[in-house]
Amino acid sequence: KQEVTQIPAALSVPEGENLVLNCSFTDSAIYNLQWFRQDPGKGLTSLLLIQSSQREQTSGRLNASLDKSSGRSTLYIAASQPGDSATYLCAVTGGSNYKLTFGKGTLLTVNP
Amino acid sequence: KAGVTQTPRYLIKTRGQQVTLSCSPISGHRSVSWYQQTPGQGLQFLFEYFSETQRNKGNFPGRFSGRQFSNSRSEMNVSTLELGDSALYLCASSAYPVGASDTQYFGPGTRLTVL
Repeated sequence: KQEVTQIPAALSVPEGENLVLNCSFTDSAIYNLQWFRQDPGKGLTSLLLIQSSQREQTSGRLNASLDKSSGRSTLYIAASQPGDSATYLCAVTGGSNYKLTFGKGTLLTVNP
Repeated sequence: KAGVTQTPRYLIKTRGQQVTLSCSPISGHRSVSWYQQTPGQGLQFLFEYFSETQRNKGNFPGRFSGRQFSNSRSEMNVSTLELGDSALYLCASSAYPVGASDTQYFGPGTRLTVL
């Protein structure tokens, strides 16, 4: 059974800092990995999708890497801003059970 | 292009009642997945429909059911509501089935409160 863990559970940083969020998964047989952002009481917004054959994806100030063999992904946020404050979730798709398995998320607070 | 829409946004029911939630995917998307989100369990997969067929189902009791119509709109039904069913119910759509090289687009969710 696939399990996804995100560390840390919460993170508070000053504005302008570069930061890294971590995601690990137990079964490396994945099709892809996605990073999402969720604002309080809202739905999820897709940030980056990394296919299993890829090593990283970039979008603006965001860079996500994937090391499938070790079951790890990182989301790097450059020059953080207060508007980046949200819960960040990673999810993997894989195995015979075609579904997204989510981690519990990292609650990020960027202080002005 | 309009995003994923879910109705209603908020719902209050009492134990034993049943409820139907609706999800309209992005135009052209044929896959709709449903998730339950609670503070304790996080996001848990309920089921996925693709072209009106249930493709996959999570570990939820039979009280949870769904269907998809020919226009790709989907409904989720929960019968005999329990207090533990209180949650944010999210649906997601994509052009291709989950597992393909495709991003999942989520709706804003329906907040269900069971009293």
